[in-house]
Amino acid sequence: SAVISQKPSRDICQRGTSLTIQCQVDSQVTMMFWYRQQPGQSLTLIATANQGSEATYESGFVIDKFPISRPNLTFSTLTVSNMSPEDSSIYLCSVATQGTYEQYFGPGTRLTVT
Amino acid sequence: AQTVTQSQPEMSVQEAETVTLSCTYDTSENNYYLFWYKQPPSRQMILVIRQEAYKQQNATENRFSVNFQKAAKSFSLKISDSQLGDTAMYFCAFMPLNFGNEKLTFGTGTRLTIIP
Repeated sequence: SAVISQKPSRDICQRGTSLTIQCQVDSQVTMMFWYRQQPGQSLTLIATANQGSEATYESGFVIDKFPISRPNLTFSTLTVSNMSPEDSSIYLCSVATQGTYEQYFGPGTRLTVT
Repeated sequence: AQTVTQSQPEMSVQEAETVTLSCTYDTSENNYYLFWYKQPPSRQMILVIRQEAYKQQNATENRFSVNFQKAAKSFSLKISDSQLGDTAMYFCAFMPLNFGNEKLTFGTGTRLTIIP
């Protein structure tokens, strides 16, 4: 399985600011995803990060709030914009190679908004 | 749309005993995968086991095995000889095998505590 890293591992941010989270994989992967895990909750898919094109967002998530980039097959960023306390969550990236159907997750970024 | 239900929010078991976590799902898809993920306090999501819907044989990975009942849409996880390191949140997940739609839908999780 791929080795996935995320930066930062945690952060405390003020209301109204933005934070960019990075996801780096040690090998080329077909698919990259971003999830949110609110405190004590399950994982919810935010979007699929598409290499070289706009991300595909799930219902309830919009590009203006969660802009995503994926410049190549090993790297993606998720920005949480104009943050509010409700954005306090763990944000996880996951990767998969098409045809294997197994997703592997990064260690997550714990975000607290004050 | 798919739904995944885990009806046991919390469970606890003595070390070395066997425990079974329940999962049911609802889908109109015929081809799909099912997964169990483990999330220890470190929050790293770890893939425990997967099951292809077209396979009748239940998947097994060392001390972890599943009981997959396709007609009943049930997918339980059995942990044998439980160890302290098995303490974690366990999430059941569903993935349809539609090209371009290989997205995971997670259940709400079961918090498992192994008691020394």
